[in-house]
Amino acid sequence: DTEVTQTPKHLVMGMTNKKSLKCEQHMGHRAMYWYKQKAKKPPELMFVYSYEKLSINESVPSRFSPECPNSSLLNLHLHALQPEDSALYLCASSQGNLAIWRNNSNQPQHFGDGTRLSIL
Amino acid sequence: DQQVKQNSPSLSVQEGRISILNCDYTNSMFDYFLWYKKYPAEGPTFLISISSIKDKNEDGRFTVFLNKSAKHLSLHIVPSQPGDSAVYFCAASVRWTGNQFYFGTGTSLTVIP
Repeated sequence: DTEVTQTPKHLVMGMTNKKSLKCEQHMGHRAMYWYKQKAKKPPELMFVYSYEKLSINESVPSRFSPECPNSSLLNLHLHALQPEDSALYLCASSQGNLAIWRNNSNQPQHFGDGTRLSIL
Repeated sequence: DQQVKQNSPSLSVQEGRISILNCDYTNSMFDYFLWYKKYPAEGPTFLISISSIKDKNEDGRFTVFLNKSAKHLSLHIVPSQPGDSAVYFCAASVRWTGNQFYFGTGTSLTVIP
């Protein structure tokens, strides 16, 4: 069982709809990520939140809007998406940098099972 | 620009034999390397990692080898089992600069019973 929970598992929406993807973890991780993965491609990083602050935005179009309400939750708000945005959206979490530096250790990212998004 | 590469998109191995998955990287600053396993309709699952201060890390049937001079790492699975059939991604990061992980393109492993 994954410790990172993503909802919904599947989402079909039109290009004019507004929807949100949700991600939750209770491992005490302070870094959370959104990735986009197309078929037969590696996950592409979209956003990184570190200690609830947006630290990396990989030049993602504004029709994707991330939000981190607290240390356990990460949302991705979607509006006016295009058909090419259809993909698997993965959320991940990991220990924050302070924990890594304090413990002088490396930690992997833990992924959810993703939301399969289809844009009509 | 792909900083982490897996040049074999697929690999087939007989059950009980060794599976060797390869990964190359270009950024000499990478100091933390990971392997993930992904089944269809699931997210990637962390498998094993290695820090750049080591050249080998072993966990049960899985061993990761790191050759820093060649900028190459490999994952050995022995003995291979049918349940190991999945897509394997290698990933790399520079620990001190933040939380950004770079993923390879994946290798689809099929273990034949």
